[in-house]
Amino acid sequence: EVQLVESGGGLVQPGRSLRLSCVASGFTFEDYAMHWVRQVPGKGLEWVSGISWKSGTIDYADSVKGRFTISRDNAKKALYLDMNSLRTEDMALYYCAKDARIRGFANALDNWGQGTMVIVS
Amino acid sequence: DIQMTQSPSTLSASMGDTVTITCRASQSVYSWLAWYQQKPGKAPKLLIYGASTLESGVPSKFSGSGSGTEFTLTISGLQPDDFATYYCQQYQSQSSFGQGTKLEI
Repeated sequence: EVQLVESGGGLVQPGRSLRLSCVASGFTFEDYAMHWVRQVPGKGLEWVSGISWKSGTIDYADSVKGRFTISRDNAKKALYLDMNSLRTEDMALYYCAKDARIRGFANALDNWGQGTMVIVS
Repeated sequence: DIQMTQSPSTLSASMGDTVTITCRASQSVYSWLAWYQQKPGKAPKLLIYGASTLESGVPSKFSGSGSGTEFTLTISGLQPDDFATYYCQQYQSQSSFGQGTKLEI
């Protein structure tokens, strides 16, 4: 069974930094691209960033480009999101999600974690 | 950036009904479109990808169609478990989601 467990969320002041982590199990992590998607409670979904299986392709939404950095450690089966210069509009539940296609990049997302909440205040 | 627009934003229906949700893209996404179901307090669940391919384990009451800029999700024989919020997602260029359609009783 695929499991994605996010951590690292919390309360942070505007302008400060935070690192989110996502630990994966139940699949061959190194074969799949991974993504971060966020959701303001009660609102819709926003794709934030994605990283290919070997980190060769990385992309960001315009809203976070230059402030957020996605990375992964395939040996640890872990995905990260380093968030700098946080703004109140970054406050959301951050989901880690698995790309549906082996060794693909931009695809449907077939498994999601339960999310970690980031509060910027 | 590709903008995704869903309609309606809210859909009222009854048990046993068949409903259709529409998703329009601001430019062609070919068939690079997925549909998700999200229930309160839960992560989204993938229903359909490639515009019309049912994800493994998803009941056949869900079906998707369309290509280019216009897509539909049809849910037949509504049951209590189907009342949720549905999102479309394009993944032709980066990724973006529609604003969601809340299906309510």
